[in-house]
Amino acid sequence: SQQGEEDPQALSIQEGENATMNCSYKTSINNLQWYRQNSGRGLVHLILIRSNEREKHSGRLRVTLDTSKKSSSLLITASRAADTASYFCATEGSSGYSTLTFGKGTMLLVSP
Amino acid sequence: NAGVTQTPKFQVLKTGQSMTLQCAQDMNHEYMSWYRQDPGMGLRLIHYSVGAGITDQGEVPNGYNVSRSTTEDFPLRLLSAAPSQTSVYFCASSGMGGGYGYTFGSGTRLTVV
Repeated sequence: SQQGEEDPQALSIQEGENATMNCSYKTSINNLQWYRQNSGRGLVHLILIRSNEREKHSGRLRVTLDTSKKSSSLLITASRAADTASYFCATEGSSGYSTLTFGKGTMLLVSP
Repeated sequence: NAGVTQTPKFQVLKTGQSMTLQCAQDMNHEYMSWYRQDPGMGLRLIHYSVGAGITDQGEVPNGYNVSRSTTEDFPLRLLSAAPSQTSVYFCASSGMGGGYGYTFGSGTRLTVV
């Protein structure tokens, strides 16, 4: 079953605007990760935030994690047309071997 | 270039045929996994391995077999292909111990007719 659920399912913005995507999950986690997938390609790891962290930055990316609400958000600042892709959150459980459970993704369209 | 290599990129099978999807990584990662991606479903875990000789089932293992004889290779076998196995298959690898991002292959697009 899906662990993460992204919201919104699709997002359309103009270049230069910020894009915010949200992810909710159900069970306790070791960490939460965000991935990007360009059309017809494999997934690319963007950023990982551990369960004891609340916020993390990487370039134009900002991720927050609220374990009490079991939710995370990914903010892409100053979006570019090249950011057009699907974005997935994935959670790594806190017990057993490392496996990632993915949400269904948010499709982001950035128009010039 | 270091990474995860999947072959073939495209494959068409007839119902009932068998085949093996190949996956190889050159990063000495202990952890490897197979996912399938269907429209509107995200990625679902088929099988995974935490090291040579160790495999386990994921969320949707039926109709698939795996083995892990070396650290580098993790092939996925379709035993008797069915139209429901039409999908895009991704192999991924990661360092062990948790807390590492996964490296994905470019995928195999499989159609079963």
